[in-house]
Amino acid sequence: GNSVTQMQGQVTLSEEEFLFINCTYSTTGYPTLFWYVQYPGEGPQLLLKVTTANNKGSSRGFEATYDKGTTSFHLQKASVQESDSAVYYCVLGDLGSSGSWQLIFGSGTQLTVMP
Amino acid sequence: EAAVTQSPRNKVAVTGGKVTLSCNQTNNHNNMYWYRQDTGHGLRLIHYSYGAGSTEKGDIPDGYKASRPSQENFSLILELATPSQTSVYFCASGAPGGANTEVFFGKGTRLTVV
Repeated sequence: GNSVTQMQGQVTLSEEEFLFINCTYSTTGYPTLFWYVQYPGEGPQLLLKVTTANNKGSSRGFEATYDKGTTSFHLQKASVQESDSAVYYCVLGDLGSSGSWQLIFGSGTQLTVMP
Repeated sequence: EAAVTQSPRNKVAVTGGKVTLSCNQTNNHNNMYWYRQDTGHGLRLIHYSYGAGSTEKGDIPDGYKASRPSQENFSLILELATPSQTSVYFCASGAPGGANTEVFFGKGTRLTVV
């Protein structure tokens, strides 16, 4: 079945450091890939999405490239700020076994940025 | 601005009791979802709906029912609450359009079953 793997449960950085959050996925279909971000006390919200393999998505300084060859969708940012502290979810959107589309969430990565 | 409102925001329930979590959306979206969020698991889909009167089972439906009486409202019902259902529950809505469609989440309901 479809699955998403985020191995990093927590990442701690200082301001202006480079961010890299690893995400790999497994599917037999042609998914859309998303990154959602969740701030404290809020629900997840869309950060960026990519619908086509080998394309890059970007938003607010964050980037992710849909790499079909390595089945990866890593999130990067050149210079993080304290306000980027949040939980980041890698998400796969695809048709499930029942034929209806579904979102599959990774386990999430808690990013803490120190001032 | 897409709006999804959940109530209550916090709930303490006793084991064996009935719990109803409510969700209202003003986005006029056909699709609505209930997820639970647990550390180490991300968000997992419990039930979803394609429109008023419809409910479908998600990945972890056991112990939960859902009700969609109108386009705007979608409820999650725990008939016999158990401590294992202690979690944070999120409701979401989205327009039809398959996997390309953005989903909008509420702020969540923290449920504790004692």
